[in-house]
Order: sequence, then C-alpha cells, then structure tokens
Amino acid sequence: GIQVEQSPPDLILQEGANSTLRCNFSDSVNNLQWFHQNPWGQLINLFYIPSGTKQNGRLSATTVATERYSLLYISSSQTTDSGVYFCASNTGGFKTIFGAGTRLFVKA
Amino acid sequence: GAVVSQHPSRVICKSGTSVKIECRSLDFQATTMFWYRQFPKKSLMLMATSNEGSKATYEQGVEKDKFLINHASLTLSTLTVTSAHPEDSSFYICSATVGGAGELFFGEGSRLTVL
Repeated sequence: GIQVEQSPPDLILQEGANSTLRCNFSDSVNNLQWFHQNPWGQLINLFYIPSGTKQNGRLSATTVATERYSLLYISSSQTTDSGVYFCASNTGGFKTIFGAGTRLFVKA
Repeated sequence: GAVVSQHPSRVICKSGTSVKIECRSLDFQATTMFWYRQFPKKSLMLMATSNEGSKATYEQGVEKDKFLINHASLTLSTLTVTSAHPEDSSFYICSATVGGAGELFFGEGSRLTVL
C-alpha cells in the first residue's frame, strides 16, 4: 500500500519564525490532506490539496503530484500553532493513510 | 464545512465490559465512515472502513470480534469494543468523507480507559 513519510519528526521554533513541513508519498495519490491535531486530540482540516497551491492566512500548502511530495508552510508562527501536523493521502480507494506526523513546538 | 460528531469524548470502564462509541455526520450523508486508533505520541492507524448497510472492512491485524462496527444509517456508525481489556485503552477517532474518496472530516475522538 501507499507509504507516507513526513519530515522533520520534531521542530522547535521561536515565535515569529517561518517553517516548512514536508510530506513524501510513495504512489500517485487521489487526495492529499494536511491536518493539525490540537492538544485535545481534535484533528483540524488545514488543506485538501491533491495538487497545486493553496493559502489560508499564515498557512499555505503546495502539492507536486508528479514528484510525489507536498509542503506545508507556516509563516510568522505563533504559540497556538504548536501541536502535531499530519499529512494523509489515498490512492483512489477509500483507505486514507497517515504519515507519522511532525511535532511542532513554538516558543514564546 | 462538514461536521462529524463523536460521543462519548471520554469513557472509563472496567475490564470485561463493552463500550459503544457513536459517530454521526451532522450535515451530510456519509455512505462511508472510517475508524482510526491512535496510541500516545503516535500516528493514526486505520482500523476499518464502514459502509452503510454492509459489513465493515477491517484492516489486517484488527480483530473483528473485538471491535464491532455497525453503519446502520447514512449518518451514524458505531464502534463497540467488546470485553474490553486494559490494552484496548486508546484514543479512537471516526471520520467520514463527503462523496466517497474525497476530503476526510473527523469527529472529536473518544478516549477509552479500561481499568
């Protein structure tokens, strides 16, 4: 089945810094999503982005489907951005597989 | 956006009892729902795919008789952990898609503790 790899596994930022999170996938995908898991466990949808680029405030994402990777950009990070960021994808069936996540901590 | 609600958010039970977790799509019809399990500081692991009106499809290594999944309507799927043991303690999260293999929306999750 599809493999989803995320990097880096852990990231510590000073408030105000920018960062890039990466997601590599092993096969062509039908969809690609980015989530933020908050401290209570809730998964927040950030982007549904099988290809192309999207922006939402300080966050943006780019998926290059032909090269099998997606990037999540966080600009001017805030302490509330802390948490775990997951990418997840499926290949056209119904099974969506998650990467291991990037654990982000933003220091005040 | 699509809203998925999960209940209960927390449950504590004694070993040997059964626990039911409900997952509802509040503003859309979900022909397919998914159940995930998450261990502390780990990623989400797909347990099963639940299709309305038919038997769930379980992932390899997931015990069908331990984790009973029912999807009786287009807005409700349930996960029953039968004869729960401490090793079943975990965070269980359901999700649903709008229109098949599209964007996933997740419930709030249910934290199960088996004493």
